[in-house]
Amino acid sequence: GESVGLHLPTLSVQEGDNSIINCAYSNSASDYFIWYKQESGKGPQFIIDIRSNMDKRQGQRVTVLLNKTVKHLSLQIAATQPGDSAVYFCAELNTGNQFYFGTGTSLTVIP
Amino acid sequence: GAGVSQSPRYKVAKRGQDVALRCDPISGHVSLFWYQQALGQGPEFLTYFQNEAQLDKSGLPSDRFFAERPEGSVSTLKIQRTQQEDSAVYLCASSWNRGGNSPLHFGNGTRLTVT
Repeated sequence: GESVGLHLPTLSVQEGDNSIINCAYSNSASDYFIWYKQESGKGPQFIIDIRSNMDKRQGQRVTVLLNKTVKHLSLQIAATQPGDSAVYFCAELNTGNQFYFGTGTSLTVIP
Repeated sequence: GAGVSQSPRYKVAKRGQDVALRCDPISGHVSLFWYQQALGQGPEFLTYFQNEAQLDKSGLPSDRFFAERPEGSVSTLKIQRTQQEDSAVYLCASSWNRGGNSPLHFGNGTRLTVT
C-alpha cells in the first residue's frame, strides 16, 4: 500500500537554530512531493515542492531533500523563527492524482 | 478572490441533520479537491473535480457524502444524516493544473461538529 509517514511527531528547537523535519514514503512510483505548513485554525500552506528528477531544491530559508533510494524526504528550515511554529506535512502525489498526507510533525520554536 | 474561500467557518449540527459546505476556489483554477482532516491527523482525500466533472470520489466515506461543482467553479460538499464520526475539518483546495501535478491551494476549512 501507499503511506506517507513522519519520523518525529514533535520537534522543539531554539530560535535561530536550524530545523530538520523528516518524512518517509512507500510508493516508489510517486514523482511529486510537497511540504505544507499548517497553523492552528488555518488550512495547509504551500512551502516548497520537488519532483522526482531532482534531489534538492531550495527556497527562502527552506531546503527540501529527496532521497529516492530510501524513499525519504526532508525539510530543512534555516534560522528557525517563532513564526515557523506549526505542523508540517509532507504530501505525496499518487498515480491517481491524489495527494497523500502524512500525520504531520509539530514544530515548536523556543524563543 | 485572492484565495480559496470556504463557508461556513464553523458548523454545529445535531446528529441526523443534513449539512452543506461551500467552497469558492481561486478564479480560473481547473481542479478542485475536498479533504477531511480529523483532529491531530493529516488531510485525507475525499473527492476531486476537473472543471464540472467529478473524476474521483473514491475517498467519500459513505453514500451520505455528496459533492458537486455544477458550473466548474463553486463546489458544495453535502453530508446527509450526519453522524458523530463526521466531526472533522473539511478542507477545500484548488489548483490551476489538471490533475494533482501542481501545488494545491487550501482554504481555511469548515470545522463541523456533530452533537
